[in-house]
Amino acid sequence: GAGVSQSPSNKVTEKGKDVELRCDPISGHTALYWYRQSLGQGLEFLIYFQGNSAPDKSGLPSDRFSAERTGGSVSTLTIQRTQQEDSAVYLCASSLAQGETQYFGPGTRLLVL
Amino acid sequence: GQQLNQSPQSMFIQEGEDVSMNCTSSSIFNTWLWYKQDPGEGPVLLIALYKAGELTSNGRLTAQFGITRKDSFLNISASIPSDVGIYFCAGYSSNTGKLIFGQGTTLQVKP
Repeated sequence: GAGVSQSPSNKVTEKGKDVELRCDPISGHTALYWYRQSLGQGLEFLIYFQGNSAPDKSGLPSDRFSAERTGGSVSTLTIQRTQQEDSAVYLCASSLAQGETQYFGPGTRLLVL
Repeated sequence: GQQLNQSPQSMFIQEGEDVSMNCTSSSIFNTWLWYKQDPGEGPVLLIALYKAGELTSNGRLTAQFGITRKDSFLNISASIPSDVGIYFCAGYSSNTGKLIFGQGTTLQVKP
């Protein structure tokens, strides 16, 4: 079946605007994860969902970041009042269940001008 | 918090050479994973290790889960140009429920 998909693939926005990033996990995967990857860096954990609930939001960098998941499937990551330091690749991954192997989407490349 | 130290940070090798990279941690992990990321793509899983001491191969790739559960290595034999990319180790701890990533090893292969 299809892998994890993310949209948009690229997003350029102006400082102060809000952005929404979307993730479609692999069908049947109950766990969904968001990571941020800055240029030349490893992956920074942001948040994960088990079903529609987010037991661990500890990685969200500030209260400008929020995420939701509906129907146990699609998830959106919202960044409000974007700042230039928010520029990064935002990666989504899903797994059958927490602790199972995570499969990654291609990422959304966000550039805040 | 938990951290992984991955080395080397980058490698520039000749086609046909073998490559070795490793990750170490001060914490114990239940699972070690190795991913490869091509430019403009998300990481793709190469090898998953679930037991201490486990040695697993996938084609020209071989990885081992250290006996102490605090380290892992990845070897690539007879490198080819398409091996170019960034390789990440990742450790999963059932205590935290989190997958922690190393900083990545950038591999360049000269034909």
